[in-house]
Amino acid sequence: RKEVEQDPGPFNVPEGATVAFNCTYSNSASQSFFWYRQDCRKEPKLLMSVYSSGNEDGRFTAQLNRASQYISLLIRDSKLSDSATYLCVVNDGGSYIPTFGRGTSLIVHP
Amino acid sequence: DAMVIQNPRYQVTQFGKPVTLSCSQTLNHNVMYWYQQKSSQAPKLLFHYYDKDFNNEADTPDNFQSRRPNTSFCFLDIRSPGLGDAAMYLCATSTATGDRRETQYFGPGTRLLVL
Repeated sequence: RKEVEQDPGPFNVPEGATVAFNCTYSNSASQSFFWYRQDCRKEPKLLMSVYSSGNEDGRFTAQLNRASQYISLLIRDSKLSDSATYLCVVNDGGSYIPTFGRGTSLIVHP
Repeated sequence: DAMVIQNPRYQVTQFGKPVTLSCSQTLNHNVMYWYQQKSSQAPKLLFHYYDKDFNNEADTPDNFQSRRPNTSFCFLDIRSPGLGDAAMYLCATSTATGDRRETQYFGPGTRLLVL
């Protein structure tokens, strides 16, 4: 069974803090990796794709560790508006059926 | 803007009363998905269409059916809703071109309440 595991949290951090989430996947054939953000009672929206070389988008940095089969998301200088659930999504090579993690809840407080 | 639209956004039904949720897309994507998501859980894939080819997940109850009359529209029919079917139902699309960077685009969801 393909598994994507995330710590559900919640991660409760003050504004301005740096916070990191990890996500582990069981299928070594996995090829594509994504982080989605889901606000309460809303649909998931793509935050960023995760590339082998790692990628950065403003305050957000995503990294992939194939040897240990995990991806990470780092958020610097947290804002109140970053409060959401962050879903890890993994896709096998050639498959268009992704596997979702259950999400990690982040709460940023003043 | 190209997008995925779901109607209604909120649906209240009675126990056992059939309900239909709709999804439409202007992205011209060939794959459409239906997910069920309950609180604090990952979206659970119910079924998907690759063009007209229907693919049912093994653990999707028979109570759930789907129709895709054309590329743009997809429907989820719940024949006899039970209390346990109360959830957010998400429609998503993708191009399935084999590009590793391709992602899914989600509609805003329909929140179903069963009384």
